[in-house]
Amino acid sequence: AQSVSQHNHHVILSEAASLELGCNYSYGGTVNLFWYVQYPGQHLQLLLKYFSGDPLVKGIKGFEAEFIKSKFSFNLRKPSVQWSDTAEYFCAVIPIAGNMLTFGGGTRLMVKP
Amino acid sequence: KAGVTQTPRYLIKTRGQQVTLSCSPISGHRSVSWYQQTPGQGLQFLFEYFSETQRNKGNFPGRFSGRQFSNSRSEMNVSTLELGDSALYLCASSLEGVENQPQHFGDGTRLSIL
Repeated sequence: AQSVSQHNHHVILSEAASLELGCNYSYGGTVNLFWYVQYPGQHLQLLLKYFSGDPLVKGIKGFEAEFIKSKFSFNLRKPSVQWSDTAEYFCAVIPIAGNMLTFGGGTRLMVKP
Repeated sequence: KAGVTQTPRYLIKTRGQQVTLSCSPISGHRSVSWYQQTPGQGLQFLFEYFSETQRNKGNFPGRFSGRQFSNSRSEMNVSTLELGDSALYLCASSLEGVENQPQHFGDGTRLSIL
């Protein structure tokens, strides 16, 4: 079975700082990868996804993620965070031949104005 | 287009009781998945239904069960409730299979066990 690790549980940044959230997974085969975000009081929303092709994927609100297959990583980045990016971020993977989406433990991001 | 609707939003039960949670997917979506979210364990997959068939099940005891109706609406049932079942239960739907479609999540049902 696959597993997902998000090593940063809590991140505090000032506005305009750059962001990188780590995500590593373990699985022997090909996977599809996702980043979801949960803003305070709101439901989980898809930020971006990687299925195939260019390993650098761009999502909503200026977020991007890079899939590095050799490192089993799918780190989330944003060049300049805003206060409104305060939220919890979840990385998730699913084998292309499977139907069980596995989430990482989440990273709580707080952006100070 | 309406999103994923979960009812009720909040529920308080006592140990030993049973509970049924409901999820209406986005119109046209055939796959419905259920997740349990707790501060300690994070988001854990419960099960996924597609065209009324359970396709996969997570590592939860048999007290957790579900079903899907012909209109794709799904229900989740938990019997003999335990204190540890207190959690936010999330439902998500996707057009086709979970493996190649991003999921759309509902707001969840917050279940508290006294």
